[in-house]
Amino acid sequence: EPEVTQTPSHQVTQMGQEVILRCVPISNHLYFYWYRQILGQKVEFLVSFYNNEISEKSEIFDDQFSVERPDGSNFTLKIRSTKLEDSAMYFCASTFLLGGNYGYTFGSGTRLTVV
Amino acid sequence: DAKTTQPNSMESNEEEPVHLPCNHSTISGTDYIHWYRQLPSQGPEYVIHGLTSNVNNRMASLAIAEDRKSSTLILHRATLRDAAVYYCIPRDDKIIFGKGTRLHILP
Repeated sequence: EPEVTQTPSHQVTQMGQEVILRCVPISNHLYFYWYRQILGQKVEFLVSFYNNEISEKSEIFDDQFSVERPDGSNFTLKIRSTKLEDSAMYFCASTFLLGGNYGYTFGSGTRLTVV
Repeated sequence: DAKTTQPNSMESNEEEPVHLPCNHSTISGTDYIHWYRQLPSQGPEYVIHGLTSNVNNRMASLAIAEDRKSSTLILHRATLRDAAVYYCIPRDDKIIFGKGTRLHILP
């Protein structure tokens, strides 16, 4: 069964450093998403991406965050200057078409620890 | 987004059926009802979705009330591996997670 692959599985970084979280969505999917989950809290929507541009973003997704699809397979989330409160699990997801009749496939996540 | 109400937690014995309820009284006529689950230390996983009719797949069944204001996810024979947080999500666009129901399975 096709999978969404995320790397690395765990990233430790110092406060103020830039991090790039990587995702390989399912190959024929067209819509891509990033979510995050702070320990013990619910999964929160960050951003959606389609046709090489952001289609929607949440309040969490401020100027410190950016997304990119640099080639035909990767989808990345960059945090420019990490803060302690950015420590969380980050999940990438993809889907083939918009609309309620299609489910999302999520990756296993990257655990980001900012020290 | 339609508001949902789910029990915070439920408990079931292994190998018995589990019925996980969800109220979504403000759902719009075109919103599908999706269920996802999150196993410990994993990403969310699609379980099932439907619009009006009851649905079955290899993981579960989804029973949707006639007025569509509620639905029930049915796990026919729970195993220890089904212990997870289950999310009911009415959607026509992006998926927004609530707090879900934490399901405990007793051996």
